[in-house]
Amino acid sequence: DGGITQSPKYLFRKEGQNVTLSCEQNLNHDAMYWYRQDPGQGLRLIYYSQIVNDFQKGDIAEGYSVSREKKESFPLTVTSAQKNPTAFYLCASSYMAGGFTDTQYFGPGTRLTVL
Amino acid sequence: DAKTTQPNSMESNEEEPVHLPCNHSTISGTDYIHWYRQLPSQGPEYVIHGLTSNVNNRMASLAIAEDRKSSTLILHRATLRDAAVYYCILDNYGQNFVFGPGTRLSVLP
Repeated sequence: DGGITQSPKYLFRKEGQNVTLSCEQNLNHDAMYWYRQDPGQGLRLIYYSQIVNDFQKGDIAEGYSVSREKKESFPLTVTSAQKNPTAFYLCASSYMAGGFTDTQYFGPGTRLTVL
Repeated sequence: DAKTTQPNSMESNEEEPVHLPCNHSTISGTDYIHWYRQLPSQGPEYVIHGLTSNVNNRMASLAIAEDRKSSTLILHRATLRDAAVYYCILDNYGQNFVFGPGTRLSVLP
C-alpha cells in the first residue's frame, strides 16, 4: 500500500535531549513537509523540501533541523534549542505540479512530549 | 500569504446537509481553493479543491462565489464520521499551504 508513515506514534523525551522523528513515503512524491500542531490550533509549517538535498525553512524553523538525502525520507530533529517542543508533529508529501502544490497527503503524526 | 476566515465551530444534525463557509476576500486570480479535514488525533486528509467552477466528488461539493471571494464546502448528508476540523486553504504559485484554526464541525445524532 502506498502512503506516508511516521514513527513512533508517541515519543517521550527528557528536556535538553535532541530527538529525531521519522517520515517515509512511497508515493514517489517530490515534495515533503513538516508541520507542528498545538492543541486547538491549526498547523504551522516547520520545514519543507521540494527536491533531494534541498530544503527551506517554514514559519517556525528555529530549534529544528531536517535532511533530505533520499526522495522517500525526510527526518525531523527537534533540538534542545526548541523552547517548547511538546506538540503533535505531522509530515506530508505532495507532487509539485508546475509550481503549484498538489494535494498533500499526511502521515498519522507523532505526538512528542518533553518531560 | 493569502488569508482565509472561517467560523470557529458549527453544528449539524446527522443525515442533514452541512454548508461550511470560507471567506477569502484577498484571493488572487491564480489561487486554488483547497479543503482538508482533520479527525481527532489524525493527520489532515484532502477533501476537495477548485479554481473557479463548482466541483463535486464522492466526499463533498465545493461552491465558489462568482467573484471568488468566498466559497462553501457542502456535505450533502452529514454522518457522525464527518465530525472533524475543516480547513479552507488558498494555494498560490510557489507558496505553501497555510492551515488556520479551521471550523470544528460537530454532528449530532
